[in-house]
Amino acid sequence: EDQVTQSPEALRLQEGESSSLNCSYTVSGLRGLFWYRQDPGKGPEFLFTLYSAGEEKEKERLKATLTKKESFLHITAPKPEDSATYLCAVQAGGTSGSRLTFGEGTQLTVNP
Amino acid sequence: GAVVSQHPSRVICKSGTSVKIECRSLDFQATTMFWYRQFPKQSLMLMATSNEGSKATYEQGVEKDKFLINHASLTLSTLTVTSAHPEDSSFYICSAPRDRGLSEQYFGPGTRLTVT
Repeated sequence: EDQVTQSPEALRLQEGESSSLNCSYTVSGLRGLFWYRQDPGKGPEFLFTLYSAGEEKEKERLKATLTKKESFLHITAPKPEDSATYLCAVQAGGTSGSRLTFGEGTQLTVNP
Repeated sequence: GAVVSQHPSRVICKSGTSVKIECRSLDFQATTMFWYRQFPKQSLMLMATSNEGSKATYEQGVEKDKFLINHASLTLSTLTVTSAHPEDSSFYICSAPRDRGLSEQYFGPGTRLTVT
């Protein structure tokens, strides 16, 4: 069974204080790992897809990296508008099709 | 990115009634769509996979007779919550992959269902 574990559950940062969110996964044949951002009362917003170990992607203050067991979402000099819940999801191979398995998310709060 | 819409965004219904939620892919065709449920402070739980032209595939523990899914066209899937009860109150979200196979899924804005 595919499993995704995110840590920490919640993270409070001061504006400008860089940090990282962790996503550990167990999956039979990883096809892709996805990061999403979700604001309260809204659907998840796509951020990144990572396909293979060693891959990195960046977007503004966010950088996602992938190893064979985990992924990190690095946030550099965060701003209050980065406050949201960040979700990690994996897509497995085989008969799973396009379905995603989500972690519980990390709720990020950035204080001004 | 691709756009997925949901309607309605909020709905309040009385216990025992049925509610239909629509999910549309606005700028691409989706042979597959997914329906999730999200309770407060929890992550997304996959309920079912909606397949255009065929029956939906339900996750273990999800009652297919209670949550009716119809994928009527390549841009529309509907979720009908039949005989709704207060415990069905939740945030329902749909998603669709832009392409078949390996691709990111785009999510709708969600529908807040409250059953009184």
